[in-house]
Amino acid sequence: DTGVSQDPRHKITKRGQNVTFRCDPISEHNRLYWYRQTLGQGPEFLTYFQNEAQLEKSRLLSDRFSAERPKGSFSTLEIQRTEQGDSAMYLCASSPGRGQVDYGYTFGSGTRLTVV
Amino acid sequence: AQKVTQAQTEISVVEKEDVTLDCVYETRDTTYYLFWYKQPPSGELVFLIRRNSFDEQNEISGRYSWNFQKSTSSFNFTITASQVVDSAVYFCALGGFNKFYFGSGTKLNVKP
Repeated sequence: DTGVSQDPRHKITKRGQNVTFRCDPISEHNRLYWYRQTLGQGPEFLTYFQNEAQLEKSRLLSDRFSAERPKGSFSTLEIQRTEQGDSAMYLCASSPGRGQVDYGYTFGSGTRLTVV
Repeated sequence: AQKVTQAQTEISVVEKEDVTLDCVYETRDTTYYLFWYKQPPSGELVFLIRRNSFDEQNEISGRYSWNFQKSTSSFNFTITASQVVDSAVYFCALGGFNKFYFGSGTKLNVKP
């Protein structure tokens, strides 16, 4: 098990373009989370999945953002019509989902998005 | 509302000094979890410790120790005999059932 993998590590895109990020969680982890981290700030929750079901979305996740986890394994986060304010590190995490509270997520290394 | 405050933006110490990172949290939940994560320059968040709201017993793990005080809503983290490799950004987080609320982080610089 190699941990949580995110691809790509870095992405530079022009304003208005669409981008898609991928996250591969630890195998058999049924919970998957997306967070966004801007420079000098802590990560902010975006959304999470229990298996393939998207159970909660933050208000930060505007209509331009969409996340999927079609088979309960990997997940994708798409941003349409990117804006400069979307520039951030996008972090994915997974957890076993045992019981009601998880024992600390395992985070990936993140995808750093720069919108120019 | 859930909130985590890390008032110390940046701390610089000389190697072998002890350093304490402060964390104050707000929550109306009676059951919650508190975490510390380390983010080295590589960017990955590394889990350090988890504490639940019913367990105020402080813990020591090697050079790390944690002081959880529910009466003051604080969950402070101390590194004893700091090392250069401890240089990183440290985040305190408050967790409920489905998501975490992170503080803004404290950047620790340990100089040789």
